[in-house]
Amino acid sequence: NAGVTQTPKFQVLKTGQSMTLQCAQDMNHEYMSWYRQDPGMGLRLIHYSVGAGITDQGEVPNGYNVSRSTTEDFPLRLLSAAPSQTSVYFCASSLTVMNTEAFFGQGTRLTVV
Amino acid sequence: GQQVMQIPQYQHVQEGEDFTTYCNSSTTLSNIQWYKQRPGGHPVFLIQLVKSGEVKKQKRLTFQFGEAKKNSSLHITATQTTDVGTYFCAGLSGGSYIPTFGRGTSLIVHP
Repeated sequence: NAGVTQTPKFQVLKTGQSMTLQCAQDMNHEYMSWYRQDPGMGLRLIHYSVGAGITDQGEVPNGYNVSRSTTEDFPLRLLSAAPSQTSVYFCASSLTVMNTEAFFGQGTRLTVV
Repeated sequence: GQQVMQIPQYQHVQEGEDFTTYCNSSTTLSNIQWYKQRPGGHPVFLIQLVKSGEVKKQKRLTFQFGEAKKNSSLHITATQTTDVGTYFCAGLSGGSYIPTFGRGTSLIVHP
């Protein structure tokens, strides 16, 4: 039981490049989400999913896309990277959408130059 | 929308001193969770509070949920260097299933 696995751990992109951050969980969790963490800003929700085939926008969705074709996987796509997207990204999952603890991945540290 | 304010942003303490962080919500919460993030690490769940006035303890950590379910606190007694990290609260309001995180309190413990 690996929990929540995020790849890669580190990534450097050039402005305008696209990439996908991978997130997988093996706990059969219903709810998955993506956060970005910037100094002094806490955790800000980018996108979330309440189940396979269902996604919705969070607080800061611009410049990011997600899909949830399976229960296990929830990739985050950066369409055209910008320096403002330099951040640490965390994927999280929880058993249901309410009243259950969130399990976080190890994070991806992304730098856009 | 729902806002969760967390104070202070930083706290420096000498090892052995106590520490408290506070969360205040603009709306009534159905529950509140607390997480700890070590430097360079990821947030790890500590506890969830659901009932009005609830108090829970984990060794030197005491968690409280206010009577009005709009505020919460985390108190650490006799801090140790292993307590270093950022503590986040995450509140869930009655009309939403998306938790709102506070900005966190970074605890620095000086030996």
